[in-house]
Amino acid sequence: AQSVAQPEDQVNVAEGNPLTVKCTYSVSGNPYLFWYVQYPNRGLQFLLKYITGDNLVKGSYGFEAEFNKSQTSFHLKKPSALVSDSALYFCAVRVPDSNYQLIWGAGTKLIIKP
Amino acid sequence: EAGVTQSPTHLIKTRGQQATLRCSPISGHTSVYWYQQALGLGLQFLLWYDEGEERNRGNFPPRFSGRQFPNYSSELNVNALELEDSALYLCASSFDSPSIYEQYFGPGTRLTVT
Repeated sequence: AQSVAQPEDQVNVAEGNPLTVKCTYSVSGNPYLFWYVQYPNRGLQFLLKYITGDNLVKGSYGFEAEFNKSQTSFHLKKPSALVSDSALYFCAVRVPDSNYQLIWGAGTKLIIKP
Repeated sequence: EAGVTQSPTHLIKTRGQQATLRCSPISGHTSVYWYQQALGLGLQFLLWYDEGEERNRGNFPPRFSGRQFPNYSSELNVNALELEDSALYLCASSFDSPSIYEQYFGPGTRLTVT
C-alpha cells in the first residue's frame, strides 16, 4: 500500500538552531512531494514542492527540503528556527496511479522554544 | 487575489441532523477537495470534484456527499450526523488535475455534533 510517514509526532528545537522535520514515503512511480504548514485554528498553507529537477527545493519562510530518491525521503529543513515557526507540519505525496489523490502524512508538531 | 473561502466558520448540529458546508475556490481553479481533520488526527481525504464531476472519494460512508456547481464552488453535505463527525472540515482548490499544482486551503468549518 502506498503511504507517507512522518516518524516524529513532535519535534522540539531551540530558537536559532537548525530544524529538521522528517518525511519518508512508499509509493510506486515518480512522486510529487509537498510540504504544508498549519498554524493553530487555521487552514493549511503550502510551503514547497518537489516535482522534478534539483533535489534541493526552497520554499516559503526560509524553509527548504531535500528529495532523496534512494532513501525515499523528503525532509523539511530550516537553518535557523524562529518561535513563529511553531506549528503543525504535513508532508504529502501525489502519484499518478492514485487518480492524482494526495496521500498525507499524520503531521508533526514543531515547537520552537525561545 | 482572494483565497479559498468557506462558510460557515462554525456549525453546531445535533445527532441525526444534516449539515451543509460551502466552499468557494480561488478564481481560475477548477478542482475542489474536501478533507476531514478530527481532533488530534491528520487529514482524511473526503471528496474531489473537478469540472463539476466527482473524481474520487475517500473511505467515508455515503452519507457524506457533495457537489460542484458551474462556477466551481462546492457544497459538502453530511446526512444523519453522528457524534464522531465533529471535526474541522477543510476545503482546498487547485488548477485542473492531473496536476503538479499545489492545493490552496480555506480556513475550514468547525462542525460540532451534540
